Amino acid sequence: DSGVTQTPKHLITATGQRVTLRCSPRSGDLSVYWYQQSLDQGLQFLIQYYNGEERAKGNILERFSAQQFPDLHSELNLSSLELGDSALYFCASSVHNEQFFGPGTRLTVL
Amino acid sequence: DQQVKQNSPSLSVQEGRISILNCDYTNSMFDYFLWYKKYPAEGPTFLISISSIKDKNEDGRFTVFLNKSAKHLSLHIVPSQPGDSAVYFCAASEAAGNKLTFGGGTRVLVKP
Repeated sequence: DSGVTQTPKHLITATGQRVTLRCSPRSGDLSVYWYQQSLDQGLQFLIQYYNGEERAKGNILERFSAQQFPDLHSELNLSSLELGDSALYFCASSVHNEQFFGPGTRLTVL
Repeated sequence: DQQVKQNSPSLSVQEGRISILNCDYTNSMFDYFLWYKKYPAEGPTFLISISSIKDKNEDGRFTVFLNKSAKHLSLHIVPSQPGDSAVYFCAASEAAGNKLTFGGGTRVLVKP
């Protein structure tokens, strides 16, 4: 158990819909990262927050957005969903060098 | 543009023998490297890391070697155990705390 929690574990929705994925980092970790793992792309960095502020952005679509709240939990919002957004979404947190990953949310867009 | 590559998609090894996983990178700005293990339906689990100022780091059965001039790192697992059967990812970052760039993974099967 990494100490990072993610909800929900599974999400099934339709194209065009909007969903919110939630992540609670390990106690004391200020950085939260979001990654997407799809079959053909491997693990890809989406976005990083540090103590409530956006720190780095990867290849995150404009339809996707994230935020980190004062209690340090983070949410990833995915809108206008497409079939290709079906993937595993992982959250990770860190305080120093190593990132610790949550169990992931499996998103299926039908 | 794959900046981190794991050229062996799979590896099969006998229990008790050594497992050697390889990883190559192209970005010379990478200075921190990590290995993760992943079981199905779980998130990646951190195994071991190495800074670019070192060429070797050891933790129990796991040793990571870094060859900066060749832009190559490897993970040695000795002795291999059936519980080590998983997918192993190599990852790199340009600085501590920065985003990770992952390789495509190597699936390891340890046979009893």
